[in-house]
Amino acid sequence: QKEVEQDPGPLSVPEGAIVSLNCTYSNSAFQYFMWYRQYSRKGPELLMYTYSSGNKEDGRFTAQVDKSSKYISLFIRDSQPSDSATYLCAMRGLEYGNKLVFGAGTILRVKS
Amino acid sequence: NAGVMQNPRHLVRRRGQEARLRCSPMKGHSHVYWYRQLPEEGLKFMVYLQKENIIDESGMPKERFSAEFPKEGPSILRIQQVVRGDSAAYFCASSGGLQETQYFGPGTRLLVL
Repeated sequence: QKEVEQDPGPLSVPEGAIVSLNCTYSNSAFQYFMWYRQYSRKGPELLMYTYSSGNKEDGRFTAQVDKSSKYISLFIRDSQPSDSATYLCAMRGLEYGNKLVFGAGTILRVKS
Repeated sequence: NAGVMQNPRHLVRRRGQEARLRCSPMKGHSHVYWYRQLPEEGLKFMVYLQKENIIDESGMPKERFSAEFPKEGPSILRIQQVVRGDSAAYFCASSGGLQETQYFGPGTRLLVL
């Protein structure tokens, strides 16, 4: 079993839709949770960074963390064709030092 | 551009040759991380370095791979005697300190023929 599970997709939605992206994890030691966006042939770009359980909102993006269920989500409101990319969840915990553990990434396609 | 810089962006090597990948961290950052991304897979941690020190190399293959971050100059990831399975995108990230956000470079895409 992978430490972090993420549905690879692709997830295809019409422009303007609300997108929900999710990851589950197995190790309760993870405390810091991130979402990165990666366009084709580019490096990952940090979108959201959260600590422990709760919600965090930034513009059209909302990150949720539920540590009791070991489940994190990223919601994108009013999705745009420019949101088409691969979304990677990542997490870190004290016993992992400073290294990030990534999910495999979900490919999102927003159709105009 | 004050971001993380990597070069070359693309590198082609024949089996048995050496590959050297370079990473210059963001200005003011002294922590460097290397990750590898294989096709259809997420990023996998390889090594974490600070200036002149390897802090965590738990993700590095035991043979042929080495990394350094000298007092002056960029961090170098070296792969000796490359094999086809080394073909991947190699990303460098940097942070300003322990537990701080990691910012990624554009990556080096290595192709081994």
